[in-house]
Amino acid sequence: DAGITQSPRHKVTETGTPVTLRCHQTENHRYMYWYRQDPGHGLRLIHYSYGVKDTDKGEVSDGYSVSRSKTEDFLLTLESATSSQTSVYFCAISRTEENYGYTFGSGTRLTVV
Amino acid sequence: AQSVTQLGSHVSVSEGALVLLRCNYSSSVPPYLFWYVQYPNQGLQLLLKYTSAATLVKGINGFEAEFKKSETSFHLTKPSAHMSDAAEYFCAVSDRGGSYIPTFGRGTSLIVHP
Repeated sequence: DAGITQSPRHKVTETGTPVTLRCHQTENHRYMYWYRQDPGHGLRLIHYSYGVKDTDKGEVSDGYSVSRSKTEDFLLTLESATSSQTSVYFCAISRTEENYGYTFGSGTRLTVV
Repeated sequence: AQSVTQLGSHVSVSEGALVLLRCNYSSSVPPYLFWYVQYPNQGLQLLLKYTSAATLVKGINGFEAEFKKSETSFHLTKPSAHMSDAAEYFCAVSDRGGSYIPTFGRGTSLIVHP
């Protein structure tokens, strides 16, 4: 998707290892979000950011941490990966807090074995 | 608190037939409503949104949705399905004021038969 890039696109990791996923945007949007997508659950919010160094928890934040040291980058870290964190992770951005619709990245498919 | 229900995890239609994907919401204040589409191995793409202008909202690819406050619904329609419409569709609702972060439905997979 133009303006928002997620890396890596695919990753396989072992249980207990730390994993960091990156979201990079070139839109200079203030708001950034991490979601996970699982069959039958739709999208669930993990963490979000409303500015550099300003982050907050979503509904499924346990086992995840985030950092935002620059406007363009929002990192999601799985501190010690578990099989229940096997999922597809999406980053989204929004120019304003008032939500007129997100722009999503293409996702990262993470498998924890 | 807001919530959204998409009726039917799978909807199957023939090419050329009417597409109707159902979405009902609950919200304590007048909401913003969205439909997103997800093609295989891609992120979600905004299809259309209702933010308090006209209740009939037109989106991309010939889709439209109507906000019906009395029915708390925001169903997505398209008069004639194309094979290329086969995808996952998500309805989302967010409140005005407070947190604008949307709640997503569980998704409806649209299957289009030749």
